[in-house]
Amino acid sequence: QQQVKQSPQSLIVQKGGISIINCAYENTAFDYFPWYQQFPGKGPALLIAIRPDVSEKKEGRFTISFNKSAKQFSLHIMDSQPGDSATYFCAASISSRSGGYQKVTFGTGTKLQVIP
Amino acid sequence: DADVTQTPRNRITKTGKRIMLECSQTKGHDRMYWYRQDPGLGLRLIYYSFDVKDINKGEISDGYSVSRQAQAKFSLSLESAIPNQTALYFCATATGSGNSPLHFGNGTRLTVT
Repeated sequence: QQQVKQSPQSLIVQKGGISIINCAYENTAFDYFPWYQQFPGKGPALLIAIRPDVSEKKEGRFTISFNKSAKQFSLHIMDSQPGDSATYFCAASISSRSGGYQKVTFGTGTKLQVIP
Repeated sequence: DADVTQTPRNRITKTGKRIMLECSQTKGHDRMYWYRQDPGLGLRLIYYSFDVKDINKGEISDGYSVSRQAQAKFSLSLESAIPNQTALYFCATATGSGNSPLHFGNGTRLTVT
């Protein structure tokens, strides 16, 4: 059972265009929603993250939109560049405030190719 | 991320062999994780640990075991490797409270023939 569903599996965008990747989750206990970017031969690295009390977060060309009632969130990459070509993973996390518990569940990934 | 080191980077082994993948970190993080990456399936959690005395099973722990030898070291073992364990394995770390980002190593590509 996939707790975090991600689409599309692959995406081709022209340079300068907008890339949009969507995710949906089931468990309302998730309380942190990060996006990770992975280049070939490397491990994923945090790109941007949002908490469920915020509907949008923007960092440079990257924006997360979050819809708590629909249990959906999305990553928008504005003015997409060839250097953005990578695999993107959404994730959802549950943690305990006081203890050490944190469990992070990932989506299935989107391979983005930005063509010149 | 050089702060999270995985060894070996690549390994080919035969069905039935025991194999250990190692992870060490210099970040001083309490939390450590093992994930497996397969095309179309994303990253799936195998085991996670919040300190040396705490080990938890993830979604796909069958066929795997782990050892947290120290705060900085977290090893993944395949007791009897099988071909469907062929995958890219990642170790990750995180600080010890609340929600915090995962810091990944560069992975171990394992092939079981």
